[in-house]
Amino acid sequence: DIQMTQSPSSLSASVGDRVTITCRASQSISTFLNWYQQKPGKAPNLLIYAASSLQSGVPSRFSGSESGTDFTLTISSLQPEDFAIYYCQQSYSIPYTFGQGTKLEIK
Amino acid sequence: EVQLVESGGGLIQPGGSLRLSCAASGFIVINNYMSWIRQAPGKGLEWVAVMYSGGTTDYADSVKGRFTISRDHSKNTLSLQMDRLRADDTAVYYCARDGILSAAGRLDAFDIWGQGTMVTVSS
Repeated sequence: DIQMTQSPSSLSASVGDRVTITCRASQSISTFLNWYQQKPGKAPNLLIYAASSLQSGVPSRFSGSESGTDFTLTISSLQPEDFAIYYCQQSYSIPYTFGQGTKLEIK
Repeated sequence: EVQLVESGGGLIQPGGSLRLSCAASGFIVINNYMSWIRQAPGKGLEWVAVMYSGGTTDYADSVKGRFTISRDHSKNTLSLQMDRLRADDTAVYYCARDGILSAAGRLDAFDIWGQGTMVTVSS
């Protein structure tokens, strides 16, 4: 199975900050990497697919990039509604696997 | 409106069985890859099973031989039959559509999720 490791596990930031979350795959997954946002008591919501493609309806302050087996989710200017848990997920091979999550909290 | 609505969760004793359903609207289940994903209380996301548009299936090792994913075209629903349930199967179970149509073709990503249904395995 492909292991996905996110860092950091938690992060405190302020409204307006630029934030970066990293996800590392245990082997090459090309660009088969997706990012999700989950708020308390809600289902996850797809933000980015194929490493860098913005899902329809998602604000442009969210972006994704890839460098080898390292993937990055960037929020350019944090908004109050962005405080949530973020997960990466590889769709390269079955079983699909998720990172452990990054909890983004208000400083 | 494109949406998924799960039902069937509840409290069940270890060793018991439960069947979850996921009703789709706004799209046709058999034309899509459909997955079940679960989340134990306070934990991360775990993919459980997928049914491909062609009808074949795949499962996580943790549920293989105990869970069965299926679909009903007449009702436009996805189901998950869960047998020999264990305490570590306790989780919120989500159904999700797997597939984004892009200029590059079809890409795997869970773009539509249900609200989830809670399964608690306890005596």
